[in-house]
Amino acid sequence: EVVLTQSPATLSLSPGEGATLSCRASQSVDNYLAWYQQKPGQAPRLLIYDASKRATGVPARFSGSGSGTDFTLTIRSLEPEDFAVYHCQQRGNWPFTFGPGTKVDI
Amino acid sequence: EVQLVESGGGLVQPGGSLRLSCAASGITVSSNLMTWVRQAPGKGLEWVSLIYSDGYTYYTDSVKGRFTISRHDSRNTLYLQMNSLRPEDTAVYYCAGAINSGWTFDCWGQGTLVTVSS
Repeated sequence: EVVLTQSPATLSLSPGEGATLSCRASQSVDNYLAWYQQKPGQAPRLLIYDASKRATGVPARFSGSGSGTDFTLTIRSLEPEDFAVYHCQQRGNWPFTFGPGTKVDI
Repeated sequence: EVQLVESGGGLVQPGGSLRLSCAASGITVSSNLMTWVRQAPGKGLEWVSLIYSDGYTYYTDSVKGRFTISRHDSRNTLYLQMNSLRPEDTAVYYCAGAINSGWTFDCWGQGTLVTVSS
């Protein structure tokens, strides 16, 4: 099973600041890495798929990069609605797995 | 508008059974990769099972032999039959579909809570 490690566990920032979230895989997942945003009491929302492709309707301030085992989600200039938990997920190997999440809070 | 609506959750005793349903609108369940993902209270997301359009299915090890994913094409509904339930199966169960983002899940239901307790 591919283990995904996310860092940091918590990121404390202010609106307007930039955020850089990391996801590392225990083995290569090629570019089959996605990022989801989840707010309390809500379902996950897909932001980025295949490492760098923005999902439909996702603002341009969200971008993804990386391949193999190291991936990054960058949020340029945080908006108030961006404070949430961010999960990475790989589909390179079954079982698909999620990372433990990074909480971005104020 | 694409919409997935789960139902069927509730309180069940250990060893009991439940069947979750996920009614779809705006998409055809049988034509898309569909999945069930769960989230225990205060915990992260965990893959449970998925079904490809050709009917091929996968299960995570902890539910193999106990859970069955299926679909009813004319009802456009995805199911998860859960037998021999354990307290550690307690979670919110989400159904999701890979619609417009390759084989990544971009459409999610609101979730249904399953509580396994005596």
